[in-house]
Amino acid sequence: SQQGEEDPQALSIQEGENATMNCSYKTSINNLQWYRQNSGRGLVHLILIRSNEREKHSGRLRVTLDTSKKSSSLLITASRAADTASYFCATDAATSYDKVIFGPGTSLSVIP
Amino acid sequence: DAGVIQSPRHEVTEMGQEVTLRCKPISGHNSLFWYRQTMMRGLELLIYFNNNVPIDDSGMPEDRFSAKMPNASFSTLKIQPSEPRDSAVYFCASSLSSGAFYEQYFGPGTRLTVT
Repeated sequence: SQQGEEDPQALSIQEGENATMNCSYKTSINNLQWYRQNSGRGLVHLILIRSNEREKHSGRLRVTLDTSKKSSSLLITASRAADTASYFCATDAATSYDKVIFGPGTSLSVIP
Repeated sequence: DAGVIQSPRHEVTEMGQEVTLRCKPISGHNSLFWYRQTMMRGLELLIYFNNNVPIDDSGMPEDRFSAKMPNASFSTLKIQPSEPRDSAVYFCASSLSSGAFYEQYFGPGTRLTVT
């Protein structure tokens, strides 16, 4: 079974707006990553947040982690058309911290 | 570095044929992953290697699938015989080590179509 699941499955916003995607997971984790996938391409790592961290920033990206709720959110501020992509969270697997499991992803469309 | 290299980029084959997908990881990376991505099932981890040794192949769907990593710079994923339901995009990724602390670098993928 999947460790992480993103919400919503799809999101459509206007350029300039903020986009928020959520990831929920089932069991305790050590690390959580966010990746982006542009259409027809491989995934690209965006940011890592460790279980003892609550928030991290990278450019227009802000990631939060709430271990009590077993959830993480990815906020993209001032979105651009180039942000159109699918976004995935990845966590340690429930049975092995050595294994990484990807969620089903959120498809983001940014309309110019 | 050229990144993770996969070949071929596209493969069209007939049901029953053998298919071999190839991957060259980033030099110095000790972990290699094979994934399959479809609309229905999303991104599935098929198998991963640490230091050329298969660690977890529980995601390999059937005995028709096999993967090898004969050395640190090359891996293959073989499907024999292929079936239409194997049609998907297959990604190879590598990282310094396994685990969610380490960033995975993905190749461009191989789009497999089995008719």
